[in-house]
Amino acid sequence: GAVVSQHPSWVICKSGTSVKIECRSLDFQATTMFWYRQFPKQSLMLMATSNEGSKATYEQGVEKDKFLINHASLTLSTLTVTSAHPEDSSFYICSARANEIRTEAFFGQGTRLTVV
Amino acid sequence: AQSVAQPEDQVNVAEGNPLTVKCTYSVSGNPYLFWYVQYPNRGLQFLLKYITGDNLVKGSYGFEAEFNKSQTSFHLKKPSALVSDSALYFCAVRDMRRGAGKSTFGDGTTLTVKP
Repeated sequence: GAVVSQHPSWVICKSGTSVKIECRSLDFQATTMFWYRQFPKQSLMLMATSNEGSKATYEQGVEKDKFLINHASLTLSTLTVTSAHPEDSSFYICSARANEIRTEAFFGQGTRLTVV
Repeated sequence: AQSVAQPEDQVNVAEGNPLTVKCTYSVSGNPYLFWYVQYPNRGLQFLLKYITGDNLVKGSYGFEAEFNKSQTSFHLKKPSALVSDSALYFCAVRDMRRGAGKSTFGDGTTLTVKP
């Protein structure tokens, strides 16, 4: 299957700082990327959908000014958690899908964010 | 609207026995259906998908799933479970009519295979 690389795999930051997470599709062009948040032993919560070259579409209840998403190229999307607080601590996962409606999405390895 | 239900939070089986992880779905149009597996502190790995054609779909690691339109189900199965199959499994659906839209994931089922 296709490979999606997410970096970093874990990060610890201080309250009030910002953290950037990268999601790269290594061997295919991803016109659509998704960002999820996952709490322990819970399902994936879709945060936003991003299409290359356009603004991300955020799910209801997700603060777009706090979770900045950029999808500047067909192989890279970034999620920046701004002014992080301890309640932002979570497991963040990205997925990417090529421009073909029949294909499945491929997931990154996830990023464990801890805000102290 | 589209939705997915995984009625079992937890499934326990003995190694060597067959396993089934249940999934039912609801979509307005025809469904694209997917199964993913997640190991601790990792992203999701794709197992298999149903798009069209044969109702029995074979995927990675010996898993298969059967699409049943009348029962709106897409249960994941494996004839002989391994301890290494222990993980969190997610079913997902996407309405064909939504084109390249987002998929909806179930809440996940934790599979535990005991030696």
